[in-house]
Amino acid sequence: AQKVTQAQTEISVVEKEDVTLDCVYETRDTTYYLFWYKQPPSGELVFLIRRNSFDEQNEISGRYSWNFQKSTSSFNFTITASQVVDSAVYFCALISNFGNEKLTFGTGTRLTIIP
Amino acid sequence: EAGVAQSPRYKIIEKRQSVAFWCNPISGHATLYWYQQILGQGPKLLIQFQNNGVVDDSQLPKDRFSAERLKGVDSTLKIQPAKLEDSAVYLCASSLGTRQARLHTEAFFGQGTRLTVV
Repeated sequence: AQKVTQAQTEISVVEKEDVTLDCVYETRDTTYYLFWYKQPPSGELVFLIRRNSFDEQNEISGRYSWNFQKSTSSFNFTITASQVVDSAVYFCALISNFGNEKLTFGTGTRLTIIP
Repeated sequence: EAGVAQSPRYKIIEKRQSVAFWCNPISGHATLYWYQQILGQGPKLLIQFQNNGVVDDSQLPKDRFSAERLKGVDSTLKIQPAKLEDSAVYLCASSLGTRQARLHTEAFFGQGTRLTVV
């Protein structure tokens, strides 16, 4: 079985502040992939990043950065200098290579950036 | 390139009625998914097609839900009869790839159909 926990249901920050969204996962497989998706008010899911279980390097893409720590089973997402356009629901997800191979989503974190 | 198209955007029906949703994936995408997203939850996979064949429908409530993919392109998802707990957003996604982990990187999602059962 696999599980993704996003303990933060809602977060509000003032524009230009940094914000970190937490993601903790559980899986018995040693080979797996972690994802972050953004769901804006329009409803579609937008892919942000995929990370495989063998690559613990942190990644930075513009104002976005991701911290993957296998020791704590966490894959946290930080937005630096937040902007109003970052307001959305963010989902962390997990798929294992040899498990049931279903993409398992967390319950999401609703991020509101206050102008 | 055109994205994944879904219709209708919104639908309100009474319980025990039937309803159908339509999805037109991105041209050339072999894999098509239907997800159910209940309010406050993450999406849950209902069914996955590769071309016009079903790859995974283990989480589809087959007593009331059915889906087909016509000629490996468009797809319809039907609920008959609907229950109150079917109220959700139904998301369609498509992907060019075939390997499970890779294809979720490449998956593009539609805007979904919001179903309300009263």
